[in-house]
Amino acid sequence: AQSVTQLDSQVPVFEEAPVELRCNYSSSVSVYLFWYVQYPNQGLQLLLKYLSGSTLVESINGFEAEFNKSQTSFHLRKPSVHISDTAEYFCAVSAPSGYSTLTFGKGTMLLVSP
Amino acid sequence: EAGVTQFPSHSVIEKGQTVTLRCDPISGHDNLYWYRRVMGKEIKFLLHFVKESKQDESGMPNNRFLAERTGGTYSTLKVQPAELEDSGVYFCASSLLGQVSSEQYFGPGTRLTVT
Repeated sequence: AQSVTQLDSQVPVFEEAPVELRCNYSSSVSVYLFWYVQYPNQGLQLLLKYLSGSTLVESINGFEAEFNKSQTSFHLRKPSVHISDTAEYFCAVSAPSGYSTLTFGKGTMLLVSP
Repeated sequence: EAGVTQFPSHSVIEKGQTVTLRCDPISGHDNLYWYRRVMGKEIKFLLHFVKESKQDESGMPNNRFLAERTGGTYSTLKVQPAELEDSGVYFCASSLLGQVSSEQYFGPGTRLTVT
């Protein structure tokens, strides 16, 4: 069985400040790791994913996440946030199989203010 | 290319009534998933179709929930009779078949409120 913990339900931050959204997971097998983002009134969109290889993965809009196997973490970071980054962020894991059912954390609401 | 669409966007029904949610996946996506988010909790898997067949329905809460996928295209999720604890946002997602950890594309969700 797998589980994902996102300890922070809300993270308020000022525009242009750095941010880190924390994600820890538990699994008895190796996993794939994902961050999804949900902007207001929209569906979930894949932000970035780790399947294998380099433990540091990046998105096109400046977010990055690092897979840390020893700490079973996949924290999401951005050095300078924008107002438009205000959204809910979900960390998820799946087993490395052909049928990748996702197990999600509870989500973290990132609130960026001017 | 159209994304995953879901209908209705919102539904408010009374306890004991029936509601049917619809999901249209991206054309060509044989994998179709249903997930649910109850307020304040995590998004949880309900079931997975491969084409018209149920691959995994281990997340379905009970036999009041019935999912179908006619002809391997769109899918419906019927709740009959609805209970208060069924309230939440129901997400549908689709992905290509045959690719390891193929990206799942999510719809905007249907917000179901049972009063």
